[in-house]
Amino acid sequence: GDSVTQMEGPVTLSEEAFLTINCTYTATGYPSLFWYVQYPGEGLQLLLKATKADDKGSNKGFEATYRKETTSFHLEKGSVQVSDSAVYFCALRTKYNNNDMRFGAGTRLTVKP
Amino acid sequence: EADIYQTPRYLVIGTGKKITLECSQTMGHDKMYWYQQDPGMELHLIHYSYGVNSTEKGDLSSESTVSRIRTEHFPLTLESARPSHTSQYLCASTTGTDNSPLHFGNGTRLTVT
Repeated sequence: GDSVTQMEGPVTLSEEAFLTINCTYTATGYPSLFWYVQYPGEGLQLLLKATKADDKGSNKGFEATYRKETTSFHLEKGSVQVSDSAVYFCALRTKYNNNDMRFGAGTRLTVKP
Repeated sequence: EADIYQTPRYLVIGTGKKITLECSQTMGHDKMYWYQQDPGMELHLIHYSYGVNSTEKGDLSSESTVSRIRTEHFPLTLESARPSHTSQYLCASTTGTDNSPLHFGNGTRLTVT
């Protein structure tokens, strides 16, 4: 079945460091790919998405590129801030799975000043 | 701006009590979901609905039940709460298309003593 594997955490970085959180997927057909972020005490919110191969999603300085050849959707940010401390979830959705969202296990990021 | 609402945000109750967690959305979405989130942050799907009078159990076995009498409302009920039910519960909704994200509520943190 469809699944998402993402880098285990926790990840701890200093402010202004470069961030990469790896995400790979297995899916039937061509899924849409998503990154969600969950700040403390809140629900998940969409960070960015990409719906076809080679698309790049971007938002708030975060980027991820849909790589069909490596079935990956790695999240990157060039310079993290303390306010980026949160849990990040990679997810996919495909019409072959009733369009239900499949989530990775989540990666906790802590950014220290 | 929250388009999906969960109440209560926090609930502490004793063992054996019956409780209902409320979830409402104003977006007219057909698909709605309940997730249980463990302390490690991973999301577990416990119930979903594709529309009025449609409910299904998710991947994680749960002693809770749900109903979907109106499109906008998807309450979750525990007939007899136990300490093992202590968790964060997240409600989400989406349209039927494969490139649309899930919209999440802020969650209910339940503690059963």
